[in-house]
Amino acid sequence: KAGVTQTPRYLIKTRGQQVTLSCSPISGHRSVSWYQQTPGQGLQFLFEYFSETQRNKGNFPGRFSGRQFSNSRSEMNVSTLELGDSALYLCASKGGTGNEQYFGPGTRLTVT
Amino acid sequence: AQKVTQAQTEISVVEKEDVTLDCVYETRDTTYYLFWYKQPPSGELVFLIRRNSFDEQNEISGRYSWNFQKSTSSFNFTITASQVVDSAVYFCALSETLTTGNTPLVFGKGTRLSVIA
Repeated sequence: KAGVTQTPRYLIKTRGQQVTLSCSPISGHRSVSWYQQTPGQGLQFLFEYFSETQRNKGNFPGRFSGRQFSNSRSEMNVSTLELGDSALYLCASKGGTGNEQYFGPGTRLTVT
Repeated sequence: AQKVTQAQTEISVVEKEDVTLDCVYETRDTTYYLFWYKQPPSGELVFLIRRNSFDEQNEISGRYSWNFQKSTSSFNFTITASQVVDSAVYFCALSETLTTGNTPLVFGKGTRLSVIA
């Protein structure tokens, strides 16, 4: 099976712009979670989607949003970008009876 | 509240040495899962192992072994005969099991392992 894919891999944006990141889960996985990784805060949970519904949400401002499509692909959007949004954004999918999450390669976002 | 502590920020060892990465967790739940992930320089988090709170058996997989002790709330990871390819950041993570489902992963800060040839 193909693993989790994320596009784009690298992105450079300017403060105030918005950005959309995409994630395709492992085939058959219906749960998709997003995490932000920064040197200062480490790995922090953003949100989880299951069958097109947001199931959990982390402690991030409303500028961070997401959605999931009927084919389980997910997108996250960050509006009005701030310098502090520069991070590696990781997507993970989960399926079956196991609780382990499988991560994609991440999208490295740089805000200038 | 859930919390995962990896007290070792960085470890350097010489190739073929054994190394243990420590992980201590806090949870009020009696049912939970513990995980270890490896993050090589490429950035992708690679799943290594999952352990549920009812299974305290130690596990060995090749050069990797895990020691889960509920009495000390620890889930330590040992690499035997380390190799340069083991160089990476290793994360321990916790997820609680609630009636509504499993909580998101809570990660430790990670331990950067450098294996020197």
